[in-house]
Amino acid sequence: ETGVTQSPTHLIKTRGQQVTLRCSSQSGHNTVSWYQQALGQGPQFIFQYYREEENGRGNFPPRFSGLQFPNYSSELNVNALELDDSALYLCASSWGHPGENTEAFFGQGTRLTVV
Amino acid sequence: DAKTTQPTSMDCAEGRAANLPCNHSTISGNEYVYWYRQIHSQGPQYIIHGLKNNETNEMASLIITEDRKSSTLILPHATLRDTAVYYCIVRVKGGGNKLTFGTGTQLKVEL
Repeated sequence: ETGVTQSPTHLIKTRGQQVTLRCSSQSGHNTVSWYQQALGQGPQFIFQYYREEENGRGNFPPRFSGLQFPNYSSELNVNALELDDSALYLCASSWGHPGENTEAFFGQGTRLTVV
Repeated sequence: DAKTTQPTSMDCAEGRAANLPCNHSTISGNEYVYWYRQIHSQGPQYIIHGLKNNETNEMASLIITEDRKSSTLILPHATLRDTAVYYCIVRVKGGGNKLTFGTGTQLKVEL
């Protein structure tokens, strides 16, 4: 158990819909990042938040957006869902400034299926 | 971040040492070597990291060659619960949680 919890664990959505995934960071962690993992692939970095501001983004379109709240919990929002968005979405949290190298703790993920 | 190359899969007998190699020939001086693993249906788990010296913790040992172009993760006494995909990641200091995962090595530990 890493202390990082994600909800829901599974979700089915229809193409074109919008989805919100949630992550509760490990206590005291102020940096959170989101990853997308397609079947058979390694996780791909979507973006990172530090103290409620986006601090780095991967190669994902603007319809992928996020929020980090004062209690350091986080949301990932995806608009206009496409079939290729079907994947495991992982949240990772850590303590410290992004300028440091710290150990990231991952949640169990949310399995999103777009039909 | 430097690219890494790992074998697609490896097998290991339970109780024996599992040695997982990783090539990172384009690594630069300020880049660290990190290892994570992902057990089926779970999130990745941090194992160990190093810059140029060999490192050991309760989970594993990391051996980095003198020229830093390759490394080996050693699980000294593999168990069935070590069956997982192992990712070797090279990253600069200051990347925060930004990790560039490849496809990793599927390690299968068998009786």
